[in-house]
Amino acid sequence: EIVLTQSPATLSLSPGERATLSCRASQSVSSYLAWYQQKPGQAPRLLIYDASNRATGIPARFSGSGSGTDFTLTISSLEPEDFAVYYCQQRSNWPPTYTFGQGTKLEIK
Amino acid sequence: QVQLVESGGGLVKPGGSLRLSCAASGFTFSDYYMSWIRQAPGKGLEWVSYISSSSSYTNYADSVKGRFTISRDNAKNSLYLQMNSLRAEDTAVYYCAREDDYGDFCYWGKGTTVTVSS
Repeated sequence: EIVLTQSPATLSLSPGERATLSCRASQSVSSYLAWYQQKPGQAPRLLIYDASNRATGIPARFSGSGSGTDFTLTISSLEPEDFAVYYCQQRSNWPPTYTFGQGTKLEIK
Repeated sequence: QVQLVESGGGLVKPGGSLRLSCAASGFTFSDYYMSWIRQAPGKGLEWVSYISSSSSYTNYADSVKGRFTISRDNAKNSLYLQMNSLRAEDTAVYYCAREDDYGDFCYWGKGTTVTVSS
């Protein structure tokens, strides 16, 4: 089973700053790596799929990169609405199994 | 527009059963793999179960294997999760989600809450 480890657990930044969130896999994954944003009381929202592709309607300040075991979500300039919890997720091909990282909480400094 | 609406959650005693439903609309349901994903209070996301578009294949997280059964009715555009032998640790918000081409979940329902407590 592939384990996804996100770091840091909590990231404290101010609006306008750049945020860099990490997701490390216990073994190499395909590019089936996605990132989600979740706000309290809401379902997760897909931000990035296939490691680096923005989902429909996602602002350009969100970008994803990486391959193999190391992936990064970058928010270039934080807006007030970006403070939330972020999860990475991967899919193993067969049998279909899905793993989420434990999440990174992005909080206002 | 794509909509996923879960129902069937509630309070159940340990050892009890519950059946969750997810009504899908706004897309061709029979074309997509579907999953159930849950989130315990204050915790992260945990994938629970997967079903292929034609119901040929299913898979489960080890934590629910042998207790939960996923199914779908493409004629009714509906996804189901039969949960038996429920435990306190199954307490969570349960989401249904549509899987897209790259193994990601672009569409989620709002979730239904399951509480297992005596």
